Amino acid sequence: DGGITQSPKYLFRKEGQNVTLSCEQNLNHDAMYWYRQDPGQGLRLIYYSQIVNDFQKGDIAEGYSVSREKKESFPLTVTSAQKNPTAFYLCASSIIPPYGYTFGSGTRLTVV
Amino acid sequence: EDKVVQSPLSLVVHEGDTVTLNCSYEVTNFRSLLWYKQEKKAPTFLFMLTSSGIEKKSGRLSSILDKKELFSILNITATQTGDSAVYLCAPTIDNDMRFGAGTRLTVKP
Repeated sequence: DGGITQSPKYLFRKEGQNVTLSCEQNLNHDAMYWYRQDPGQGLRLIYYSQIVNDFQKGDIAEGYSVSREKKESFPLTVTSAQKNPTAFYLCASSIIPPYGYTFGSGTRLTVV
Repeated sequence: EDKVVQSPLSLVVHEGDTVTLNCSYEVTNFRSLLWYKQEKKAPTFLFMLTSSGIEKKSGRLSSILDKKELFSILNITATQTGDSAVYLCAPTIDNDMRFGAGTRLTVKP
């Protein structure tokens, strides 16, 4: 079945450490996105990519980095520069233009 | 700056009630508006609206878009406890979505 796989589902990180969240899709979608969700707020865009080896900053890119070496994969690294990284992270993909989106099941990151 | 406002932020009803959720938006290069239902994890797709005034229906849920007044509503009739969730609206602009904060609906037995 086609879909998006995010891993891990739960992640704990110590302050000062970098951590990478995985996102893989087998939908042959060109575009991929990372969103962050905090209680009481809508999903906020961190980064998105429309093509391999290219990506754009979203609204809250500071403290995050991404890569798009393969069409299927769009990993997100939460760096130690991200001041408040505890959140729920969702990866999504779409065709271009985005008349349909598919979401992964999310990764809940907790900084301890 | 793009703006998406959903109201109410929170709503508690009893089974069988009808609810209306609102979404107003101010975005550039609007393409369509999506509604999602989010329970524990990833949002699940409900509707995509591209044309004004055409109601989309799926069972007890329906939605309509007004592109002139820049808003959309999501109606749920005969609510059930399984409708309890956060409902997100998301206008799409170019190659991106802008999400509202969501309406948290709680349906009590």
